Formats: sequence, C-alpha cells, structure tokens
Amino acid sequence: DGGITQSPKYLFRKEGQNVTLSCEQNLNHDAMYWYRQDPGQGLRLIYYSQIVNDFQKGDIAEGYSVSREKKESFPLTVTSAQKNPTAFYLCASSSGRGTDTQYFGPGTRLTVL
Amino acid sequence: AQSVSQHNHHVILSEAASLELGCNYSYGGTVNLFWYVQYPGQHLQLLLKYFSGDPLVKGIKGFEAEFIKSKFSFNLRKPSVQWSDTAEYFCAVNAPRSSNTGKLIFGQGTTLQVKP
Repeated sequence: DGGITQSPKYLFRKEGQNVTLSCEQNLNHDAMYWYRQDPGQGLRLIYYSQIVNDFQKGDIAEGYSVSREKKESFPLTVTSAQKNPTAFYLCASSSGRGTDTQYFGPGTRLTVL
Repeated sequence: AQSVSQHNHHVILSEAASLELGCNYSYGGTVNLFWYVQYPGQHLQLLLKYFSGDPLVKGIKGFEAEFIKSKFSFNLRKPSVQWSDTAEYFCAVNAPRSSNTGKLIFGQGTTLQVKP
C-alpha cells in the first residue's frame, strides 16, 4: 500500500524540549516537503528536499531542522528555538517537478504544554 | 514575493447550491495551479490542477476550475454541492521559472460547510 506515513499522530512536548516528527514515503519520490498548518493561514513551507543529502529552507524555517539521509525518510526536528511550535505538521512528497501533484501524509498535531 | 489569496474564508451552502471559491495569485510569469481538499479526518488530496492547455480544467467529484491569466485567478466551481463536499479547500501555486523545485505556495484556505 503506497503512501506517506507520519508518526506520531499526536505529540505533546514541554517547553524547552526538542522533538522529532517522522515522515516516511514508499512512493519512490525524489522530493519531500514539510508544511505547517495553522487555522486561517493555510499551509506554510518549512523545509524541502529535492534529493537525498540536500535540503533547503522554506518560508518559516527558523526553529526547525531536517535531515535527508535516505530517499524515503525526511524527519523534522522542532527545536526549543521555535517560538510558537503548537501546530499541525504535514509532510508531502512528489517527483519534484512543478507540475507534479504533491501527496500528503495524515499529519502530526504537536502541542507544547 | 509570490502570494496566493483566497477571498472566502468560510462558506455555508445548502445542498444543491452552486459553489464558486475565489483564488488569486501574485506572480506575472508562468504558473502551475492546484486546488487541494482536506475532508474531515482525511489526508489533504488533489482536486485538480492546471499547467497548460485548456484553461478550464475538470477534477474529481464534479469540480472544475478556470484559469484566467489576465485576472491572475483560478476559481473553483461546482454546479451543485453535496453534504459530502464539506471540507477545507486550498488553492496553491507553483512558479517554475522562479523556483524549479516543485515548491507550492498555498492560500489561507476556505472552509466549506454544506447543510443537508
């Protein structure tokens, strides 16, 4: 069954802690993306990666970090430097061309207590 | 900077009513345009997309959208909505000349509530 998986579905974190969100795809896609979804703001791009071992900052990268050591995996770390981390995080993948459809995972809802 | 604007934030319709959701973008060059939908409890998924050819594109579930280049618009339409169309709808733009990376810029989203 092809697709994108994200784990965990819900995540709670204390202020000052780093936390890593998992994203895995078995679609053989080259490109992967992390978005943050907040009510009334749509989706905003945090980081993206077009190829293994390479990634670029999106529009709101501050306080986040990523790695892309394997084609199928693109984990996102929300660091303690992120001022307002409580949000819904979505991972997506595509073949990487501008006309391509991005396929989304189910998302992780992070709440900072 | 490129941006996408969706004018309707929350729309409430009765079943069988017609739907039009507005989407405007700010980029003068070639664009690829998308509408995505997020049904309650489900993944965000593609409704339709435009990148060339006929500016009137048809998508899943009876949705269509028209690209009007002179107006920088890509409005989503459906002649008769159903209760199952209740969802959040996102317009998105890719500008390949400025960023050939598949990056999408999303609008703020429109929540559609269809009353049975």
